[in-house]
Amino acid sequence: GNSVTQMEGPVTLSEEAFLTINCTYTATGYPSLFWYVQYPGEGLQLLLKATKADDKGSNKGFEATYRKETTSFHLEKGSVQVSDSAVYFCALTFNTGNQFYFGTGTSLTVIP
Amino acid sequence: EAGVTQFPSHSVIEKGQTVTLRCDPISGHDNLYWYRRVMGKEIKFLLHFVKESKQDESGMPNNRFLAERTGGTYSTLKVQPAELEDSGVYFCASSHTSGVRWVNEQFFGPGTRLTVL
Repeated sequence: GNSVTQMEGPVTLSEEAFLTINCTYTATGYPSLFWYVQYPGEGLQLLLKATKADDKGSNKGFEATYRKETTSFHLEKGSVQVSDSAVYFCALTFNTGNQFYFGTGTSLTVIP
Repeated sequence: EAGVTQFPSHSVIEKGQTVTLRCDPISGHDNLYWYRRVMGKEIKFLLHFVKESKQDESGMPNNRFLAERTGGTYSTLKVQPAELEDSGVYFCASSHTSGVRWVNEQFFGPGTRLTVL
């Protein structure tokens, strides 16, 4: 079947620390991969995406590379800020109009 | 452009009662999705509308859940009668209709937090 596995949270980091949130997937086909972020009191927002192997998605200093050989899409940021505190969801989908498969979410808290 | 809106933001009901959740998608989006996140678990797909038609309802947990999208605009999700295990956050999302060679972003609403006591 199709599923996404994320590292367990919560994660607490000091400001300017390096962030990695691991994400691996299993898929019956060739998926596109996404990271969504949910800030407190808001809906999920697309953070970045990659649609084929070796693509790198990037946005707001966050990056993730689609690794087909390891079925992974790890999220990284070199220097986190307090404003990055949120819940991060890794997800996959297959084609237009299809459902998303989400991971369990990883809560990140950045302290000054 | 207004985003996806959901109403109410929170609902607390007793077991056996009925609750109706509403979602207003982004104007012009033919695709509308419902998802649910039970505490601490993954966000799970419930169903997908294309305009007013149910394209995929494979994620609906049982027949106590009824979703409608009359006129292809807003959608409602009714739970009747509610059970304790229905508690969670219900998300709605919408997207454009497009060709098959690229993937649409789904735009999510803030969710409705449902608590069944």
